Amino acid sequence: AQSVTQLGSHVSVSEGALVLLRCNYSSSVPPYLFWYVQYPNQGLQLLLKYTSAATLVKGINGFEAEFKKSETSFHLTKPSAHMSDAAEYFCAVRLPGGGSYIPTFGRGTSLIVHP
Amino acid sequence: NAGVTQTPKFQVLKTGQSMTLQCAQDMNHEYMSWYRQDPGMGLRLIHYSVGAGITDQGEVPNGYNVSRSTTEDFPLRLLSAAPSQTSVYFCASRYPGQNTEAFFGQGTRLTVV
Repeated sequence: AQSVTQLGSHVSVSEGALVLLRCNYSSSVPPYLFWYVQYPNQGLQLLLKYTSAATLVKGINGFEAEFKKSETSFHLTKPSAHMSDAAEYFCAVRLPGGGSYIPTFGRGTSLIVHP
Repeated sequence: NAGVTQTPKFQVLKTGQSMTLQCAQDMNHEYMSWYRQDPGMGLRLIHYSVGAGITDQGEVPNGYNVSRSTTEDFPLRLLSAAPSQTSVYFCASRYPGQNTEAFFGQGTRLTVV
């Protein structure tokens, strides 16, 4: 079985500051990992994904994440926060390979951006 | 191209009532799934389908039924609504080559009183 833990239910940053949202995973084999963003009253949108290629993954809106096997982590970062980044962020994990595997989602981290 | 469409957006039910949440996608995706989202709990999988005529249970299936008679539609039925089913429900879809849920509907906010 796989699982993810998102550290911190809320993260607050100032506009222009570094964004760091933490995600640690547990899996019997190196998994596939994903980050999603959810804006108010909307569904989830896929930000980026790691599927065993490059360990540093770039996504949309200037976000990136690095897969670190030794730390079992997949933290999401953005060099400079923008007010429009305020949203809920979810980390997700699934077993690698094809087939019908369904991702398991973390509990979410709410990003608050102050002017 | 509408993507994933969920109806209704809001619904209030009385305990014991039944209803169907609709989900339709126009991308010819084989994989579809239903999640519920509760505060502080993330998304939890209710049921999923890998193609027409094939469905399976997720993490929290009790109290819900699904069927998949066509590729486009994946309705979720609440058999006898309970207050514990108050939640926001999301439908998602993807094609087999994608490794995760790629398209989400905008959600149905259900309140059971």
